[in-house]
Amino acid sequence: DTAVSQTPKYLVTQMGNDKSIKCEQNLGHDTMYWYKQDSKKFLKIMFSYNNKELIINETVPNRFSPKSPDKAHLNLHINSLELGDSAVYFCASSQDWAGRGYTFGSGTRLTVV
Amino acid sequence: EDKVVQSPLSLVVHEGDTVTLNCSYEVTNFRSLLWYKQEKKAPTFLFMLTSSGIEKKSGRLSSILDKKELSSILNITATQTGDSAIYLCAVKGLSGNTPLVFGKGTRLSVIA
Repeated sequence: DTAVSQTPKYLVTQMGNDKSIKCEQNLGHDTMYWYKQDSKKFLKIMFSYNNKELIINETVPNRFSPKSPDKAHLNLHINSLELGDSAVYFCASSQDWAGRGYTFGSGTRLTVV
Repeated sequence: EDKVVQSPLSLVVHEGDTVTLNCSYEVTNFRSLLWYKQEKKAPTFLFMLTSSGIEKKSGRLSSILDKKELSSILNITATQTGDSAIYLCAVKGLSGNTPLVFGKGTRLSVIA
């Protein structure tokens, strides 16, 4: 069983479209995250949710809207996609406050054309 | 703002060489430093270092935390082509909900 699963794995779309990426974890973790990894492989935090509540919202355009219907799910909706949104988006979850319990999903490669 | 700087950004070595990857950090209320290995997909956990555990070793990989210098090194001895990957360093602050802050990674290429 996959611990943190993201769908889709690949997403190719045109500028201006709206798209969603889904994430689910079956680890019973309380905290979930979205990270963006750019072409230079830099992993940058976007959002953090704890028990369905938004904890961290980094400087991310408001075209990005996370939604957590329950603590096992954290979805990412992106409006009016731009070329610069092309990246790999990783979902992660954690329970261990020290950080060791971080589990990453396999990533969603988003390409905006 | 928490910050992590890794060096070098990329490195090419021959099989059998020993490599040292560097990580320096600035973090408010340090809790832990973590090393991850990223091949084609998601980062996978290697080590976690805290104030109470400043050295870790697993096979050919080892890591040391220097809390005074706010830095860590990851050593890989007798490198193999399978060690080729991006190695990511991350730090975590004390607050339970603080996310991991990552460096930009070191891309290691091991050639036969």
